[in-house]
Amino acid sequence: KNQVEQSPQSLIILEGKNCTLQCNYTVSPFSNLRWYKQDTGRGPVSLTIMTFSENTKSNGRYTATLDADTKQSSLHITASQLSDSASYICVVNLTGGGNKLTFGTGTQLKVEL
Amino acid sequence: KAGVTQTPRYLIKTRGQQVTLSCSPISGHRSVSWYQQTPGQGLQFLFEYFSETQRNKGNFPGRFSGRQFSNSRSEMNVSTLELGDSALYLCASSLALAGYEQYFGPGTRLTVT
Repeated sequence: KNQVEQSPQSLIILEGKNCTLQCNYTVSPFSNLRWYKQDTGRGPVSLTIMTFSENTKSNGRYTATLDADTKQSSLHITASQLSDSASYICVVNLTGGGNKLTFGTGTQLKVEL
Repeated sequence: KAGVTQTPRYLIKTRGQQVTLSCSPISGHRSVSWYQQTPGQGLQFLFEYFSETQRNKGNFPGRFSGRQFSNSRSEMNVSTLELGDSALYLCASSLALAGYEQYFGPGTRLTVT
């Protein structure tokens, strides 16, 4: 069983609409939780990084939330654009120093006209 | 500032052979991490190097190894290749360990036949 699970697996929305992607994790303790965007054929790009004590972090139209009690995080995308079409990956960085990342399975988002 | 570069971008090898992949981090970055990405398993952490020392290691067999040079450039080696090693291998660099944003390279697509 994956220690970082994301839902939905895939999502199709119309341009201009908002959407929310979910991430449930079981790994702990962790030093930070990250959301990455990965375009096809490219490496992931960091969107947000939150420590366990933060509960929200924004980056433009992207807003991530974290509930350490329920071990859930979400990524909200506002006013979606065609360029938002990508895979969104939730990542937990375990404690103990360094960047030992546990990756979620990702949500494949497609934004259509 | 130049991003993370990886060479080669594409590689085809035969079962039983070995392969060496190279990663040049962003100038000034001292931490380099390696990841394997496959459709079935998603992204998985291989190992992280900082100041020429392996600081973290994922759950991969000993056939996977790496090293980091004094200029922070890193190489990873896979010996006795198996069909299941076919994957996108991503390298990421960060300023230091723990909590710093990671920047990913474009990856090396390895195909084992």
